Amino acid sequence: NAGVTQTPKFQVLKTGQSMTLQCAQDMNHNSMYWYRQDPGMGLRLIYYSASEGTTDKGEVPNGYNVSRLNKREFSLRLESAAPSQTSVYFCASSELAGGQGETQYFGPGTRLLVL
Amino acid sequence: QKEVEQNSGPLSVPEGAIASLNCTYSDRGSQSFFWYRQYSGKSPELIMFIYSNGDKEDGRFTAQLNKASQYVSLLIRDSQPSDSATYLCAVISSGSARQLTFGSGTQLTVLP
Repeated sequence: NAGVTQTPKFQVLKTGQSMTLQCAQDMNHNSMYWYRQDPGMGLRLIYYSASEGTTDKGEVPNGYNVSRLNKREFSLRLESAAPSQTSVYFCASSELAGGQGETQYFGPGTRLLVL
Repeated sequence: QKEVEQNSGPLSVPEGAIASLNCTYSDRGSQSFFWYRQYSGKSPELIMFIYSNGDKEDGRFTAQLNKASQYVSLLIRDSQPSDSATYLCAVISSGSARQLTFGSGTQLTVLP
């Protein structure tokens, strides 16, 4: 089991460029999440998908879009990157949105630098 | 606004001592509480979760929950240098969204 995988591991963009961060999980989890982590700010939820076919905004969704491609894959797109989006991005998954299944498992992260 | 507060630290303890990490939360309806450990440059990994008032022990780790005081803590007994990391408290708030809200983390250093 690879768990949660993310690509790329590191990316440098120029302001205004677009890119898609990829995430996949092989644990047959229903729910998937995208977070960003900035120094001193903790993890903040960008978007989540409670189940295949649904997506919802989190705390900081502006400037991002997501696609739940299938049960395994959940991508995050930056349409026009800004320096404020420089961060470490983590994808996570959980079995269910309730009880013990709420435990979230995290991918290794993508470090994004926007110049 | 639903918030989770932690002392940012850094917290330093000598090897073998008990490390005590604290977390408070603002949403009185919160029901699920998690402690994650994050090594520098790595992703968060789950240490423990707790749902009921009282203590929950797992090896050297004990989570304590007091819903009346809106307080959750993590005790690490016999601290080891390998425990040096940032510890994140996370709470699933009340309501249908079931989103996980993280504190900003407490940096722990265990001195040999």
